[in-house]
Amino acid sequence: KNEVEQSPQNLTAQEGEFITINCSYSVGISALHWLQQHPGGGIVSLFMLSSGKKKHGRLIATINIQEKHSSLHITASHPRDSAVYICAGVRNYQLIWGAGTKLIIKP
Amino acid sequence: NAGVTQTPKFQVLKTGQSMTLQCAQDMNHEYMSWYRQDPGMGLRLIHYSVGAGITDQGEVPNGYNVSRSTTEDFPLRLLSAAPSQTSVYFCASRNSGLGETQYFGPGTRLLVL
Repeated sequence: KNEVEQSPQNLTAQEGEFITINCSYSVGISALHWLQQHPGGGIVSLFMLSSGKKKHGRLIATINIQEKHSSLHITASHPRDSAVYICAGVRNYQLIWGAGTKLIIKP
Repeated sequence: NAGVTQTPKFQVLKTGQSMTLQCAQDMNHEYMSWYRQDPGMGLRLIHYSVGAGITDQGEVPNGYNVSRSTTEDFPLRLLSAAPSQTSVYFCASRNSGLGETQYFGPGTRLLVL
């Protein structure tokens, strides 16, 4: 079993839809990063969470420490949101990477 | 700030050749890491450094060497390139706190023939 598991692996939605990407992680992971990788390959850090909820624009990230689960939500999705979204767990100052969710938003 | 820079952007090697991938950051970050990303897979940690003069192995260190003589630079050396090292390589840096944002370089695409 992978230490950080994401679902779904692929997600296609229509513009405007509410998007949820899930991440489950194992014991020993103390915080979670959400990152975005653009089709051109660049990687951008979106959030770091150790508890609660964070919001930036149309992006919302939540984490439930007891359930070892985090979600990334995108409201009013737009084609420019198309990218791979990656969650990565922090353990002993190292990042344990999920496999990523490929999101395609169709106009 | 230039952030995290990587050179070259793209490289083709023959099996057995050696080369160095360069990584530099101008944010005075203590932590620097090298990852490889293969198609359909997540990033895998090759080597990392928690400060100048200190390096350690990650998940997939075989075939790679690193050094950290300065805070700014963290080169990755391929000793004898193999086709299995064909990948995209990302360098990243951040400060040492648990909640610090990780910054990534643009990546180096390496093809080993």
